[in-house]
Formats: sequence, structure tokens, C-alpha cells
Amino acid sequence: ETGVTQSPTHLIKTRGQQVTLRCSSQSGHNTVSWYQQALGQGPQFIFQYYREEENGRGNFPPRFSGLQFPNYSSELNVNALELDDSALYLCASSLVAGGYYEQYFGPGTRLTVT
Amino acid sequence: AQSVAQPEDQVNVAEGNPLTVKCTYSVSGNPYLFWYVQYPNRGLQFLLKYITGDNLVKGSYGFEAEFNKSQTSFHLKKPSALVSDSALYFCAVRDPDNYGQNFVFGPGTRLSVLP
Repeated sequence: ETGVTQSPTHLIKTRGQQVTLRCSSQSGHNTVSWYQQALGQGPQFIFQYYREEENGRGNFPPRFSGLQFPNYSSELNVNALELDDSALYLCASSLVAGGYYEQYFGPGTRLTVT
Repeated sequence: AQSVAQPEDQVNVAEGNPLTVKCTYSVSGNPYLFWYVQYPNRGLQFLLKYITGDNLVKGSYGFEAEFNKSQTSFHLKKPSALVSDSALYFCAVRDPDNYGQNFVFGPGTRLSVLP
């Protein structure tokens, strides 16, 4: 098991609502990335935070936003939820941003939008 | 833009037999390549990575992968499969020249090891 934790485990929301997912990085890691994994697909990169600033973003709309806190924990916020937002959301931390460092993943939050 | 292909949705192999899970990639420069495994209702677990040097990389749980630059491939292998290896396997690539871009994952290959 990695030291990355995520909460909640499961979540059910209604279309149009807002949701906040949380992640606690592995000790000593200053970089956190968020991924969306739709059913039957590989994880898709949403964005990355390094030292509390977003320093990379995938092809996701602005209603996906995030925060990283001084203790390197992180939040993913999604506004105006759509049915297609139903997915497993994975948080991953790494020692530094970029480079050849592997990322360590949390168990994920399963979001269902009805 | 970088991309990863895993040509097989499903690989079936008998316990004790060798296994191969295929991965090909596209990236502009020299890639960093990774393999991850995902068990049901779990996050991804790191298996191994290729950065530079020896084309044969050894990783966790007896897995290894062979980097082939001319074929742009990074196939995952194991000499003797176990039933417990049954899981979803993802290949990922990172472009070292694209700092802001993160891992790009393939679609995954489901490995079933039959007893």
C-alpha cells in the first residue's frame, strides 16, 4: 500500500451539483496529480499541483479545479456535475514534479452522477 | 503529443506459463516509460520504469519489461505467471521535455491467469 489516502471512498451526486474530493499525499512528496478513470479506460490526467500552484493541466474544462495546501494535501473540485463525470478519481503524489519519478496512487474516489 | 497503445484488451495465460503484455508508445523525444497494475477497487500500483540504460528493466513481483527503441515498444513480461497476477495492467509514458504534462496512460490490458 502507498501512503496516499483519499476521501470519500464513494460518492453519489445529482447532475448540476458540486463535489469536493480530498487527497493526502505520501509523506515527503510535494507534488500531487489528479486523474479521472472512466469505466473500462485508462486514467486521464486532469491537473498537477506543485508547491500549491497548478503547473500542468490536461484536457479538462475549468469547472474542474483544485487546491494544494501547505501540508501538500489536495482537493479536487468539480462544479456543475454532468453524467459523464461519473468515474473513479485518482490522486497520485510524487517526490518532485516532472522527471522520471514514479507516482504513487491512492485508492480512488468512485463518483456517481445521477 | 505523446500516446500509448495496448493492442490487447485481454490476455489469458495458464498458471506457470510465461506472460507478455504489450505496449507501444509515441513521444517526440526519449521517453520515460512505466508499468502499473490495478486490482479491483484499488488504485494503481507501480511495477517498474525505464529511464535510460539497460533495455531490460526488472521490477516488483518478478515482472520485467523490455524497451525497444526501434519498435517503440515496452512489453511487460514474467517468466512464470501466478493466478494472483490476474489484474488490469497499464502502460504509461512521460515526455521528459514536457514538464507540465503528466503521465499518459494506455487503455489497459486485463490479464487472466488460469489455474
